[in-house]
Amino acid sequence: DTEVTQTPKHLVMGMTNKKSLKCEQHMGHRAMYWYKQKAKKPPELMFVYSYEKLSINESVPSRFSPECPNSSLLNLHLHALQPEDSALYLCASSPGTGMRDTQYFGPGTRLTVL
Amino acid sequence: AQSVTQPDIHITVSEGASLELRCNYSYGATPYLFWYVQSPGQGLQLLLKYFSGDTLVQGIKGFEAEFKRSQSSFNLRKPSVHWSDAAEYFCAVGRNQAGTALIFGKGTTLSVSS
Repeated sequence: DTEVTQTPKHLVMGMTNKKSLKCEQHMGHRAMYWYKQKAKKPPELMFVYSYEKLSINESVPSRFSPECPNSSLLNLHLHALQPEDSALYLCASSPGTGMRDTQYFGPGTRLTVL
Repeated sequence: AQSVTQPDIHITVSEGASLELRCNYSYGATPYLFWYVQSPGQGLQLLLKYFSGDTLVQGIKGFEAEFKRSQSSFNLRKPSVHWSDAAEYFCAVGRNQAGTALIFGKGTTLSVSS
């Protein structure tokens, strides 16, 4: 089973709201990722967790706050977002963080910020 | 620095015709190469990957890709396209730093005409 699940599928929030995105995998992978994807663009890496520790933060604004409660779960907490943050947010996982570790992606959460 | 180029932004192919999507990479050593497909509003699905060995790689859904070191290319092919193949296709290379992620090309949109 190579499934990564993400909830919710769609999220609409105001600029003053606080919400969270959730990602889950049960493949025993030790690396998990958050990507942001705008329309007609490739995914842009936001964060990488390796063995439940944050290993890469690609200069993401602090209004995005990742959390990895355990090896199967990855959350992205959202607060005071801007309309330009509207995008598809993709979660991925891989066995490790080596160059040959294949990443498996979830279906994404479509976020709209009003 | 590593990079991936997909020269074709948009390709239209007739149903039943053959398909080739181009991908060129820039990397000094042996690259780890991936092709992903993304249907509208969906996550990325891995089609195939190349790490080493046989330069012709078979993937899912009848796709194959050929690694050509002399041309720094990893082109994706399918002998007969189906309407359901219409999607966005991304070529990616594993990034060569620890705790890393993927470098994506800008993507090629495939349209299938009847």
